[in-house]
Order: sequence, then C-alpha cells, then structure tokens
Amino acid sequence: EPEVTQTPSHQVTQMGQEVILRCVPISNHLYFYWYRQILGQKVEFLVSFYNNEISEKSEIFDDQFSVERPDGSNFTLKIRSTKLEDSAMYFCASRGPQGDREKLFFGSGTQLSVL
Amino acid sequence: EDKVVQSPLSLVVHEGDTVTLNCSYEVTNFRSLLWYKQEKKAPTFLFMLTSSGIEKKSGRLSSILDKKELFSILNITATQTGDSAIYLCAPGGLSGGGADGLTFGKGTHLIIQP
Repeated sequence: EPEVTQTPSHQVTQMGQEVILRCVPISNHLYFYWYRQILGQKVEFLVSFYNNEISEKSEIFDDQFSVERPDGSNFTLKIRSTKLEDSAMYFCASRGPQGDREKLFFGSGTQLSVL
Repeated sequence: EDKVVQSPLSLVVHEGDTVTLNCSYEVTNFRSLLWYKQEKKAPTFLFMLTSSGIEKKSGRLSSILDKKELFSILNITATQTGDSAIYLCAPGGLSGGGADGLTFGKGTHLIIQP
C-alpha cells in the first residue's frame, strides 16, 4: 500500500539553527499538509499546500516556517531559527485529488528536539 | 471558536470488554468526521463519516455520526491488547484545520489490560 514517508525520523538541533524536514507524499496525491504534536498534546494543523502554493496556514505557522515542493516528489517544511518550543513530532500528510476530501494519509513523523 | 471534545480522556479496561469512545464537535462548515488510531507515531485512518445514523463497521470496530447533536461514537467490541492506542476524532471543516484539513481532538487514551 502506498504511504507517506518522512525523513529524518529524529532530528536534534541547537536553538537558533535552521532545520528542514522532508516528506515524500503518496505519488498521485495533490494536497499536502504539515501537522505537529507537542508531547502530550493534540495534533495541530500547521499548513496546507496545493498547486505549488499555501492554501491555508494556522497561527502557529509564523514567519519562521516555510514550505516548499522543490521537485515532483518532495515536500519540505523549513524552520529558519528554531526555538525550544518548536520541539515536537511533525507529521506530513497528503490526500488524493477527489473522493474522500478529508481522508488524509499521515507519515510516521519526524521527532524534532531543539536544545 | 471550533472545538472538538473527546471523552473519556483515558480508559483502562480488560481484554474482552467493549468500549465506547465519544466525540462532540463544533466545526464551521462541517463536511465529515474522521476517526484515527494513533499508536506510537502516525495516526492511521479508521473511519470517515459523512451521514447521520449510518453505522460504519470494520471488524470489531464501528462508528456512527449524529449531525443533529454534533456527536460521534466509536465502539470496539471484544477488545484486544493490540487495541491499546490513542483514538483521535477529527472533524473536517474550513476553520482550524485548514482548507480541507482536520481539527483534532485531544484523543482518548485506551489501555487494554490482558
């Protein structure tokens, strides 16, 4: 079964450093998302992306965050200057072009630890 | 403000028991409600409900939606230790979850004891 893959599975970084989290969505999917989950808290929406542009973003997704689809397969989340509170599990998700609009498929996540 | 309230927040039962997990929601422009199971990492899809009163089943799991009362339940019968997980309710709407995205509840942490 096709799946969303994310790399790396764990990322440790120093406060103030830039990180890029990578995702390969399911190949025929057109809508892409980033969510995050701080330890012990609920899964939170960050941003949705379609047709090479951001569709919507949450209040969490401030100027420190950016997303990009640099080629036909990868979808990245960049945090320019990490803060301690950015430590979380970051999930990439994608969905297909039609049918079940909300049926998102999630990757296994990248655990980001900011020290 | 949109909100999703799941109850109970945690539940410990013995193998073989039946459990009912609850989700109430207030989401602008509601379209559907999804249930996900989260074990160690990624949420995995269980059900998507769009119509009231129509039960969806998958093995020992079933779910139903009440769009009038803004409520959904997830039932698990004859529970097994492998059912231990966090069960997430996620209504899809235009507010909070992004365009075509999801707003997640805090989840019900279910523990099945052997």
